[in-house]
Amino acid sequence: AQKITQTQPGMFVQEKEAVTLDCTYDTSDPSYGLFWYKQPSSGEMIFLIYQGSYDQQNATEGRYSLNFQKARKSANLVISASQLGDSAMYFCAMREGLFFQVSGAGSYQLTFGKGTKLSVIP
Amino acid sequence: GAVVSQHPSWVICKSGTSVKIECRSLDFQATTMFWYRQFPKQSLMLMATSNEGSKATYEQGVEKDKFLINHASLTLSTLTVTSAHPEDSSFYICSAPQPSGRSDTQYFGPGTRLTVL
Repeated sequence: AQKITQTQPGMFVQEKEAVTLDCTYDTSDPSYGLFWYKQPSSGEMIFLIYQGSYDQQNATEGRYSLNFQKARKSANLVISASQLGDSAMYFCAMREGLFFQVSGAGSYQLTFGKGTKLSVIP
Repeated sequence: GAVVSQHPSWVICKSGTSVKIECRSLDFQATTMFWYRQFPKQSLMLMATSNEGSKATYEQGVEKDKFLINHASLTLSTLTVTSAHPEDSSFYICSAPQPSGRSDTQYFGPGTRLTVL
């Protein structure tokens, strides 16, 4: 079963408008982390924002905010005041467990969704 | 954020040759690094977990004899594609986790685009 679901293959947004990219997840582990990455056409994966399962408040990083609804198991990314440079693929990812560096713990890897291609229109 | 470098950024080789890709964490130590593969218009697929001082852990379906991983130091992991064939052509990207206060954050290298003729 898919652990990370991104239902929007592509999205369009007008420049300077806000846009929400959807992400739902599935896990029975009470400790987990949710990540959003941006991948422009160059291919590099750029870390945007992180939300831990025990965090009380929604994460924010500049123009990025994460709308974390734990009961609904959703972690939507909100980009405010879209810019042309925001056009890219966006991936939601989850790590079960709070830390990566636990030796032999294969479950501490990142699982990615299929991504959403965002196009910002001038 | 942390910086992870990857070299080369792109490589073209003939079928049957071996290609080595390096992944370095530039300003932090990483006992664990991850290697991913990405086909066009698809998501990242984890190939293996590279562990400093021990053997790599491969995901199901990934041939360990074809994709050799060596975690030589706390800042360097290498992926060698042995006897490459056209079906190995892909975008390979590594990542390394860096502790960031309450949790780790995983940073990615810029990727290596491999084309096998």
